[in-house]
Amino acid sequence: EAQVTQNPRYLITVTGKKLTVTCSQNMNHEYMSWYRQDPGLGLRQIYYSMNVEVTDKGDVPEGYKVSRKEKRNFPLILESPSPNQTSLYFCASSYNRGGTGELFFGEGSRLTVL
Amino acid sequence: AQKVTQAQTEISVVEKEDVTLDCVYETRDTTYYLFWYKQPPSGELVFLIRRNSFDEQNEISGRYSWNFQKSTSSFNFTITASQVVDSAVYFCALSEATPYFNFGNEKLTFGTGTRLTIIP
Repeated sequence: EAQVTQNPRYLITVTGKKLTVTCSQNMNHEYMSWYRQDPGLGLRQIYYSMNVEVTDKGDVPEGYKVSRKEKRNFPLILESPSPNQTSLYFCASSYNRGGTGELFFGEGSRLTVL
Repeated sequence: AQKVTQAQTEISVVEKEDVTLDCVYETRDTTYYLFWYKQPPSGELVFLIRRNSFDEQNEISGRYSWNFQKSTSSFNFTITASQVVDSAVYFCALSEATPYFNFGNEKLTFGTGTRLTIIP
């Protein structure tokens, strides 16, 4: 089954404790991306990757890091989480097809930073 | 810069009523794609429709229909004979196309969402 898998789905952590949200896709997609969803703001792009070892900032990259060492994985790293990073996070992937937006989304990871 | 506006933050209707969710977009591109997603209480994003900028035909899928009007930059979504299972947050989104083979950011610009509550 084609899917994007995120882990963990739910996490409560404390300020400053490094954490990683993993994202894996089994569709051989070149493109992967992370979004965060906040009330009243919709979903906003954090980082994206057009292929292995190619990553770039989205609209709200501050406080986040990513890496793309393998095609299937695109982890989101919070080196020193803060309460303003409490959010619902979505990973997405697609073939790179010139902006058609045919994204496959993961089920979301709800993160709370105390 | 592209922008999507969903002016209706929350809507409540009684079951079986029709309801329309509004979406207005801004883009400088002539080629773009518009989307609607449903987010039920469980939190996942459910893809509903994608429409490209060259196809202004209205779309109907069961109780769902979409009205795309380039003249007003709108892409409205109507649910006919609403049901309790339609209760969710609905997002409209926009993607600007890049020239084919010019790989770029497959980014979706989302509206802020409309929370729809269907009252039994």
